[in-house]
Amino acid sequence: SYVLTQPPSESVAPGQTARITCGGNNIGSNGVHWYQQKPGQAPVLVVYDDSDRPSGIPERFSGSNSGNTATLTISRVEAGDEADYYCQVWDSSSDHPHVVFGGGTKLTVL
Amino acid sequence: QVQLQESGPGLVKPSETLSLTCTVSGGSISSYSWTWIRQPPGEGLEWIGCISYNGRTYYNPSLKSRVTISVATSQNQFSLKLTSVTAADTAVFYCARQDVYSRPIDYWGQGTLVTVSS
Repeated sequence: SYVLTQPPSESVAPGQTARITCGGNNIGSNGVHWYQQKPGQAPVLVVYDDSDRPSGIPERFSGSNSGNTATLTISRVEAGDEADYYCQVWDSSSDHPHVVFGGGTKLTVL
Repeated sequence: QVQLQESGPGLVKPSETLSLTCTVSGGSISSYSWTWIRQPPGEGLEWIGCISYNGRTYYNPSLKSRVTISVATSQNQFSLKLTSVTAADTAVFYCARQDVYSRPIDYWGQGTLVTVSS
């Protein structure tokens, strides 16, 4: 089964840039989606198809995907960005295609 | 604006069947793919499976033997059944929507905690 690997935690100072990685075998050939989850809330889609933003998501959120690593970048980080972030792909490579989530990265704003 | 609401028992006994329903409002269930995801306390997200508007289902291979997802179009609802539950199945269960099964999850319910305990 396809595995997505995220660092458990990242920390960043307000106003700086946060980069959260998602590793997977040849992940660059998949479309990657990113979700933000704050405590006690359902996840929210913040980036889809590697680098597109849903309506209402600030331009500070961006994404890239190449080779074996996808990256979610949050520019000019704010205190309200503190949350868990999950990457996700559709694994069509197996006999049983399914959604795969990364393990999640807790972003701490210092 | 599409809204999803999970409902069902908050407590299930070990070895029994967990049953949840998701009611969709603000849009028809007769299109899109409808999805279940769970999150054990303090842990990450786990996709359980989905059902497309045409009834085709996709399940997480690790849960496939215990999961059934069905849709009740006339009631604008879809449901999850998970059999032979253990304490490891304790989680917040989310229902959600995908445009199609391979696309991102764009609408989520608020989630409901189901505890497996005797």
